[in-house]
This record gives sequence, structure tokens and C-alpha cells, in this order.
Amino acid sequence: GNSVTQMEGPVTLSEEAFLTINCTYTATGYPSLFWYVQYPGEGLQLLLKATKADDKGSNKGFEATYRKETTSFHLEKGSVQVSDSAVYFCALRSSGQGGSEKLVFGKGTKLTVNP
Amino acid sequence: NAGVTQTPKFRILKIGQSMTLQCTQDMNHNYMYWYRQDPGMGLKLIYYSVGAGITDKGEVPNGYNVSRSTTEDFPLRLELAAPSQTSVYFCASSYSRGRGDEQFFGPGTRLTVL
Repeated sequence: GNSVTQMEGPVTLSEEAFLTINCTYTATGYPSLFWYVQYPGEGLQLLLKATKADDKGSNKGFEATYRKETTSFHLEKGSVQVSDSAVYFCALRSSGQGGSEKLVFGKGTKLTVNP
Repeated sequence: NAGVTQTPKFRILKIGQSMTLQCTQDMNHNYMYWYRQDPGMGLKLIYYSVGAGITDKGEVPNGYNVSRSTTEDFPLRLELAAPSQTSVYFCASSYSRGRGDEQFFGPGTRLTVL
């Protein structure tokens, strides 16, 4: 079945450091890939997405590129801020009719950015 | 637009009690979902609905029931609460089942069963 594996946390960085959170997936067909962010005490919100190979999603300085050859969708940001402290979830949505309703999530990576 | 709202925010139940988690969306979305989030884990789909009157099971439906009488509301019912149902519950909605369509999430309900 479809699955998402993302790097274990927690991740602690200093402000202005470079961030990478690794995400790899297993899926049949051509899934769409997402990064969701969960700020403390809130629900998840979409950070960025990519729907086909080589697409780059970007938002708020975060980027991720859909790499079909390595089945990866790593999240990067060049200079993190304290306000980026949150839990980040990688997710996929399958392309098949039987499963396109479902988002399959990774376990989440908690990021803490210190001033 | 309030988006997706959930009530209550917190609840403590005793084993065997029942309760309903409420979820309402004001975006006129056809698709609605219930997820649970256990500590250190991703979200798992409990039930989903593709429109009023139509519901279907997700990955972990045992111990739960849902109904969808209107487009706006999608309540989740726990009939006989068990400690294994201690979790954070998220309701979500989306306009369609398109591959790239965003799901919008509510703020969650934290449930503890003792």
C-alpha cells in the first residue's frame, strides 16, 4: 500500500539556519505530494504541494521538489525563523479511483527554532 | 468564513460512555473526513463522506459511527468509549477528490478516555 516516511524529530535549529526535512514515499501510480504544517494548538494547514514529477511547490520561503526517480519530496528552507516552530507532515494522495479520497501521512517532524 | 469548526476542544470520558464530536464547515465542500492523531504518529482516516447521505469507512473505523444529513455537518459518534480511543480528532473538508485538492482542517478535539 501507499506509505510516507519522514525523518524522525525533533529537530532543533538556531534562527537563520538552513532546514531540510526528508520525506520519501511508496505509492502506485502518480500520487500528489503535500507538506502540511501544524502550529501549536492548531489544526493542520497546507504549506505546499506538487502534483507531478519535477514540480516544485513553494510557500513562505519553504520549497520541495517532487522527485519521482528517488521517490522523495524533501522540505527545505534557507533561513528559518522562530515563527517556523511547528510540526511538519509529509503526505500523499493516490491517483487511483479507489484511494484518491485518502491522504496518507508521515509521522510528523517537530521543528523548534531558537532565537 | 469560519472554515472548519469542531466542538468540543477538550473532553474527558469514562470507559463505556458515549459522545458526539461535532464538525461543521461553511465552504460548501462536498467531501468531509475524520482523522485521529495519536502521539508521535501521523493522522489516520476514520471515516469520510463524499456528500450528504453518503459515508464510507477509512483505515480505522471500528468503535465509531458517522452520519451526513447536510453538506455542512459531519458528526462523529463514539458509542462505548475505550482507552484506545484517547487521541486528538481532526475533521477536514475538501471541494472535490481531485489529486491536488487541499484538505482544510479544523482545530481538533482532544479526547481522553479513563
